[in-house]
Amino acid sequence: ILNVEQSPQSLHVQEGDSTNFTCSFPSSNFYALHWYRWETAKSPEALFVMTLNGDEKKKGRISATLNTKEGYSYLYIKGSQPEDSATYLCAPRYGNKLVFGAGTILRVKS
Amino acid sequence: DGGITQSPKYLFRKEGQNVTLSCEQNLNHDAMYWYRQDPGQGLRLIYYSQIVNDFQKGDIAEGYSVSREKKESFPLTVTSAQKNPTAFYLCASSRERDGSYEQYFGPGTRLTVT
Repeated sequence: ILNVEQSPQSLHVQEGDSTNFTCSFPSSNFYALHWYRWETAKSPEALFVMTLNGDEKKKGRISATLNTKEGYSYLYIKGSQPEDSATYLCAPRYGNKLVFGAGTILRVKS
Repeated sequence: DGGITQSPKYLFRKEGQNVTLSCEQNLNHDAMYWYRQDPGQGLRLIYYSQIVNDFQKGDIAEGYSVSREKKESFPLTVTSAQKNPTAFYLCASSRERDGSYEQYFGPGTRLTVT
């Protein structure tokens, strides 16, 4: 069973702080890296899909980078807002299956 | 609106009873998936189906069964053989033909077995 690690497990920040999380994964047979945001009482929603080494994607204040050679991805949130509070899941794809990490829980206090 | 529906939201059963969780999608996606979430763990794949009338075991298929008789529907049965059935269950679907494998999730069913 492939081991996908996300750190930190949880994070509490003040509104306006910038923050980042890490996703580490086995790099052999890797196809793509998916990031999802999962708000309480809602369904997980896709943020980014990245495939190439050095890929960088951005959506508003959220961005992500990918290093396929060493097997890690960073997710950055600039100027966190209370509405960013959620669990952030990463899921590398191997073949046609996604393998999910346990997630990073972000709480932003106003 | 297109999307994935799961019902019910909460389900309670007595130990020893089989229970079926519903998952329906109107996104015209070929592939469907069932995941289980336990506290502190990532989503774990139970079963998946890439096409009607075909499905494969995921990492934790023991004690579960599925069927895929229609493209829109992928019900999951939690049998009495599943040793720890109490968990949160998520269904997802994806359009694999476009190569993205991006998965769309339902709202989940929380199953409690006592």
